Amino acid sequence: QSVLTQPPSVSGAPGQRVTISCTGSSSNIGAPYHVHWYQHLPGTAPKLLIFSDSDRPSGVPDRFSGSKSGTSASLAITGLQAADEADYYCQSYDSSLSGYVFGTGTKVIVL
Amino acid sequence: QVQLQESGPGLVKPSETLTLTCTVSGDSMTESYWVWIRQPPGKGLEWIGYIHYTGSTSSSSSLKRPVTISRDMSKNQFYLKLSSVTAADTAVYYCARGSGYYTRLLFDFWGQGIPVTVSS
Repeated sequence: QSVLTQPPSVSGAPGQRVTISCTGSSSNIGAPYHVHWYQHLPGTAPKLLIFSDSDRPSGVPDRFSGSKSGTSASLAITGLQAADEADYYCQSYDSSLSGYVFGTGTKVIVL
Repeated sequence: QVQLQESGPGLVKPSETLTLTCTVSGDSMTESYWVWIRQPPGKGLEWIGYIHYTGSTSSSSSLKRPVTISRDMSKNQFYLKLSSVTAADTAVYYCARGSGYYTRLLFDFWGQGIPVTVSS
């Protein structure tokens, strides 16, 4: 069972901005441990999108940004494109579980 | 470029042991964490465990049974053994590289995933 909660889906028209929330607790995001984000297209390998709350690996467009406050984190996608339609997961470390936890996952739908 | 590839049986009978192999290329496995993650049908990602380059291992307490993660650095491979499988272990299994300090671990390279079904 996931200890990080995300909305099941978010949607937006091409060019719009969408945000995905990731809500945790004092034993993970609020500890504070870093939050990382992954983009997952079904049938492919998940891709690291944001690491350490707000950093982007090389090659990831600056349309993707991350932030964190308290026990929650957010992923924002601006200039939404059809290619962004995928599942997105947050991930952190949890001290009470002594392990790594993922969010419940959010499907981004481009209208 | 680091690449990982999972291999193993696509079908395992209940109560048997699932054994998967991850073959790594582009990295000598002398650093980092080597990780197993799975995704049951219609559900999210779940961390299973890792083997550190030093040989130490850790696994998720939620599995509630022994998980064995081992490696053969001469073959650039690491392995997952999950015993007494049930239908709840049906999932796509991914291997990945974990980078960073253990409380800040991120998974920067992943395999394509291998679907495993537990059924008689």
